[in-house]
Order: sequence, then structure tokens, then C-alpha cells
Amino acid sequence: AAGVIQSPRHLIKEKRETATLKCYPIPRHDTVYWYQQGPGQDPQFLISFYEKMQSDKGSIPDRFSAQQFSDYHSELNMSSLELGDSALYFCASSLLNGDIQYFGAGTRLSVL
Amino acid sequence: KNEVEQSPQNLTAQEGEFITINCSYSVGISALHWLQQHPGGGIVSLFMLSSGKKKHGRLIATINIQEKHSSLHITASHPRDSAVYICAAPTGGGADGLTFGKGTHLIIQP
Repeated sequence: AAGVIQSPRHLIKEKRETATLKCYPIPRHDTVYWYQQGPGQDPQFLISFYEKMQSDKGSIPDRFSAQQFSDYHSELNMSSLELGDSALYFCASSLLNGDIQYFGAGTRLSVL
Repeated sequence: KNEVEQSPQNLTAQEGEFITINCSYSVGISALHWLQQHPGGGIVSLFMLSSGKKKHGRLIATINIQEKHSSLHITASHPRDSAVYICAAPTGGGADGLTFGKGTHLIIQP
């Protein structure tokens, strides 16, 4: 069965650069969630989208923005990267808002 | 914001033992999630439950909504069950982003 696809799997950036992470939800899933997991920490919710509209907002920095496109894929845009942004970024999708969430393998971002 | 507490933080057991991991949360919710994270980082959803009990193979999850408490049980534990088990609750008590517990690091020794 198709799963949540995230790209890239690994990304290395310099401080102050920008990065774009992509998430392709499971087909027919209309809700996408983004999470950030720092080293040795539990995942923190960043933002979610339902039917292409922002649904909920967590601890997403102002330097980050995200959107969900007409094909339901989502992109997380990160600007002015800082060392502390180095983390594993997970995307999850669900069939309905509030339903069980299926996670992608994550994108590991390293900011040097 | 929902506060999610898990216990124990670390658990080492012998193969075949019955395992119980507990989770409590502070804000009433519609459903609680149990997740599994392996050393490589991948997260797998195990259960989402809003009442009673769910069973999948050797895994059983129970929840008491009134007491804001859930448990994850593993029967006949096996070394391949070694992972971090995380309970997560909707952040605002609603149905969106999740607040994760700190996780339980489970090691099953042969």
C-alpha cells in the first residue's frame, strides 16, 4: 500500500540558507501534519492543513511557512536557517481531520 | 495545551514477558494515539482509540476517557518489539496536531 512520501530524505544546509521539504500524503488523504523532532527530543507539532487550508498551528517559527497544494501534497519552507533547526521533520497524513495519522520516514535536516 | 505523561521512561524485560506502558493526559480528548519509533527514526502508528480496547496481534491498547488514562500492553514480548513507544494526544483537546509523550524506551532481551 502507498505510504506517506517525504523528500528529500536528507538535507544539508548552511546557516541563513533556505530549505523546502516536501510531503506527499497517502492517496485520498486530505489532511497533512508537520512535526519537528530535535535530537533526543519528542516530536513537536508545527502545523496542519485540511483540504488545502491551514487547520491548526503549533510551535512553528515565523521563519517557516507551509502550504498544501491542489493535489494535497504539502511543502514546508524554511528560511534564515539556524543551527537549532537541525532536526528530523516528519509529515503525517490522515483520511479525515482527526483520524489516525500515518507518518512518513522523515527528512533529516542538518544546518551547518 | 495537553500535557502527556508516560511511564516508565525505560523498560528492560526478558523475551516472553508481558509488558505494560502507561499514559495519562491532562485535557479531555476525542482519541489517543499510540506510536512506535525505531532507532532509525521512523514512526509507525499502532492505534488510535477513543474508548474501550483495541487489539492488533500481540499489542493491546486500552483507554479510560473519564480517568484520562491509557495503557499499551505487549503479550509474549519479543526482541523485535524493542523500540520507543509513544502516546500522543490532540494538542488542544480537539482533532489536529498531536502532543507527544516523552516515550518509553523498551528493550526486550533474548
